[in-house]
Amino acid sequence: GAGVSQSPSNKVTEKGKDVELRCDPISGHTALYWYRQSLGQGLEFLIYFQGNSAPDKSGLPSDRFSAERTGGSVSTLTIQRTQQEDSAVYLCASSLGQGENGYTFGSGTRLTVV
Amino acid sequence: GDSVTQMEGPVTLSEEAFLTINCTYTATGYPSLFWYVQYPGEGLQLLLKATKADDKGSNKGFEATYRKETTSFHLEKGSVQVSDSAVYFCALRNDYKLSFGAGTTVTVRA
Repeated sequence: GAGVSQSPSNKVTEKGKDVELRCDPISGHTALYWYRQSLGQGLEFLIYFQGNSAPDKSGLPSDRFSAERTGGSVSTLTIQRTQQEDSAVYLCASSLGQGENGYTFGSGTRLTVV
Repeated sequence: GDSVTQMEGPVTLSEEAFLTINCTYTATGYPSLFWYVQYPGEGLQLLLKATKADDKGSNKGFEATYRKETTSFHLEKGSVQVSDSAVYFCALRNDYKLSFGAGTTVTVRA
């Protein structure tokens, strides 16, 4: 597509429920990243996918968080047993190569856990 | 580890004023440096970049020069407009990972 597409744009969920956030990167971009933007924490790196290589999961805050990327394209970020501190905007980005010329970000999914 | 420090906001300016947002970094190796902008209700957009020392990135009247000796990448614009009201993020890329500053909110009044 023309840009990075994320869905849903907004999600309200009850504490303890599982949520799935979707990211559709720019066609042809081999690298895909998830970041979290929250008040007081700024922008935090979560996970990085590059082609068929093993992802860098070093930024995932707990084992309740997981992500997968199917067919080298669409990615899903899953948060199990959501907590209120998971409330944030989850941003997806994609790039050619390793982002030497910058990443293209999606508009994000605003997650609110009540 | 890598880190980026940028001046805290919020910054409020009048139209046609000069804008500077300071950014300094700590990193190993030779990172690339970026400024991203987030307009109200929109996603992050790449504003400008510099990939090596003494490079100057520029876009939409904004400029920033990669200063290795002072580990800085300050953002400047000579005459701001109301449409420049946004949150500005300084970032560095080392290997494949972007590290961001906390962001500076800029409001330009007519």
